[in-house]
Amino acid sequence: DAGVTQSPTHLIKTRGQQVTLRCSPKSGHDTVSWYQQALGQGPQFIFQYYEEEERQRGNFPDRFSGHQFPNYSSELNVNALLLGDSALYLCASSPGSGSGGEQYFGPGTRLTVT
Amino acid sequence: GQNIDQPTEMTATEGAIVQINCTYQTSGFNGLFWYQQHAGEAPTFLSYNVLDGLEEKGRFSSFLSRSKGYSYLLLKELQMKDSASYLCAVLSGGSYIPTFGRGTSLIVHP
Repeated sequence: DAGVTQSPTHLIKTRGQQVTLRCSPKSGHDTVSWYQQALGQGPQFIFQYYEEEERQRGNFPDRFSGHQFPNYSSELNVNALLLGDSALYLCASSPGSGSGGEQYFGPGTRLTVT
Repeated sequence: GQNIDQPTEMTATEGAIVQINCTYQTSGFNGLFWYQQHAGEAPTFLSYNVLDGLEEKGRFSSFLSRSKGYSYLLLKELQMKDSASYLCAVLSGGSYIPTFGRGTSLIVHP
């Protein structure tokens, strides 16, 4: 049983560029959440997708957008990249029961903006 | 909003016991998670407390006091592989999304 997978593993971009990160949830999970984790910090919630719609959003600008596909996989898009966007981007999946239970995290995508 | 506080760093000796504390201030508390995160890796689930008291799971135990806004993670018989960051995360206000603390970096030395 495959867990949460993310691609790519690492990415280097230049300021002003756009980036797309991808996530496939754990088998049987239909809810995907995205987090940004800066070095030495805890994960910060970006948004959550359920039934192909954004269910909840954290305190991130509109430059951060996302999408969920019918197979429950998800993308995170960031436009007009800033140096401060350099971070580990984590995807987490969970069953869509809304119980607030355990989330399973993917290995993350390390984004470096130069 | 929420305020979650953990020590930044702790050190301990292999074979010893260490307690990592987490205090929080929140409204509508719904539960508290502990995650372990090795450097460069994803967080992995350790425990989830909703009611007051101690939950034991092998070498790891987690305690919660809702009235005090306090939790701790207790690690026994420390091993070198326990060197990692330990994240406290709180569910509150009817949200399904946990809010994470900054994490406690635990260094286990021989």
